Amino acid sequence: EVQLVESGGGLVQPGGSLRLSCAASGLTFTTYWMSWVRQAPGKGLEWVANIKQGGSEQYYLDSVKGRFTISRDNAKNSVYLQLNSLRAEDTAIYYCARFRSSSQKFYFDYWGQGILVTVSS
Amino acid sequence: QTVVTQEPSFSVSPGGTVTLTCGLRSGSVSSSYYPSWYQQTPGQAPRTLIYSTNTRSSGVPDRFSGSILGNKAALTITGAQADDESDYYCVLYLGSGISVFGGGTKLTVL
Repeated sequence: EVQLVESGGGLVQPGGSLRLSCAASGLTFTTYWMSWVRQAPGKGLEWVANIKQGGSEQYYLDSVKGRFTISRDNAKNSVYLQLNSLRAEDTAIYYCARFRSSSQKFYFDYWGQGILVTVSS
Repeated sequence: QTVVTQEPSFSVSPGGTVTLTCGLRSGSVSSSYYPSWYQQTPGQAPRTLIYSTNTRSSGVPDRFSGSILGNKAALTITGAQADDESDYYCVLYLGSGISVFGGGTKLTVL
């Protein structure tokens, strides 16, 4: 059974930093892209970032480019999201997800339970 | 900036059929965007329903179906049940590693 477990969320001041982690199990981690998706309170889902299997290619939502960095450690079956220069509008539940990327398939197929990030003074 | 549009809300009677749509503010949705659909109930993580326009994810009942209708992707629920009352999101894959969510549709079953 695939499991994705996020950690590292919490309260941070505007301009601050936070590092989210997602530990994956039940899958051949090196085979898959991984993603972060967020949801602001009372709002819809928003894709944030993708990372390819090897980690050398990352893709970002325009509003987080230059502030957020997605990375992965395939030896630890983990994916990370470094959040810098945080703003109030980054307040959200952040979900880790597995992204299926292959011929004729591009979608999120497994999701973690999410971790709350609150940016406030 | 690519904007994916969905109806903000919809209602359906128990046992009825409802079709939710997913469009582009500028342009048409085709299978080349690999539309996918997700269900989310309050306080829960999303659940994957449909991918690649019309393929049901494992364990999803066959009363959920996906298609392209005109210039939009569509999710049809046939024989709606009370526990289908949820938020539904579509996602379009733009290529180059970029995905975009629609704003979501809040479905009420009453």
